[in-house]
Amino acid sequence: EVQLVESGGGLVQPGGSLRLSCAASGFIVSTKYMSWVRQAPGKGLEWVSIIYRDGSTYYADSVKGRFTISRDNSKNILYLQMNSLRVEDTSVYYCARETDEVEGGYWGQGTLVTVSS
Amino acid sequence: DIVMTQSPLSLPVTPGEPASISCRSSRSLLHRNGNNYLDWYQQKPGQSPQLLIYLGSNRASGVPDRFSGSGSGTDFTLKINRVEAEDVGVYYCMQAIQTPRTFGQGTKVEMK
Repeated sequence: EVQLVESGGGLVQPGGSLRLSCAASGFIVSTKYMSWVRQAPGKGLEWVSIIYRDGSTYYADSVKGRFTISRDNSKNILYLQMNSLRVEDTSVYYCARETDEVEGGYWGQGTLVTVSS
Repeated sequence: DIVMTQSPLSLPVTPGEPASISCRSSRSLLHRNGNNYLDWYQQKPGQSPQLLIYLGSNRASGVPDRFSGSGSGTDFTLKINRVEAEDVGVYYCMQAIQTPRTFGQGTKVEMK
């Protein structure tokens, strides 16, 4: 059974850092395209970052230079390192396995990040 | 960036009646492999988004057969054959053919 379990969210002051983790089971993270997507309170979905099977990484302009996506293949975990956090980064952050030619995508339950003084 | 445009943004529905949501992209989502990289997600109140339809027309595992997806290229449609009360929520389309990935604005489905 596929599962994605996010952790690491919480309350942080502006300018602070957090590292989100996404523990995967039921599939191998390094064989899929994996993304982080966020949703501010009462708002729609915003794509944040992606890591391809070959390890290439891409970011939304709003987080470029501040966030870093990575994975630990031995632990089957996806990460999002978030630095220089801003109030506008406050959102629920979802870890997502992308749809590919073989099967549909899958999302975790999300972890809340609140940036406030 | 590919712009995804959904309509309508609000959809009052009657139980037992059909409903449909349109999603249009600013560029073709048809890959050279023949797949359209368009997903539909349902987000019920207080829950994370759940995949309904992937690659334009493939129903995800466990999704009731009253949900169907169609379309190709730049025009896509999500149809609910006979709406049930549990279908209330916000529906999003998402393109996965190009980075950055982009979403539609969301369509809020609610009971009349």
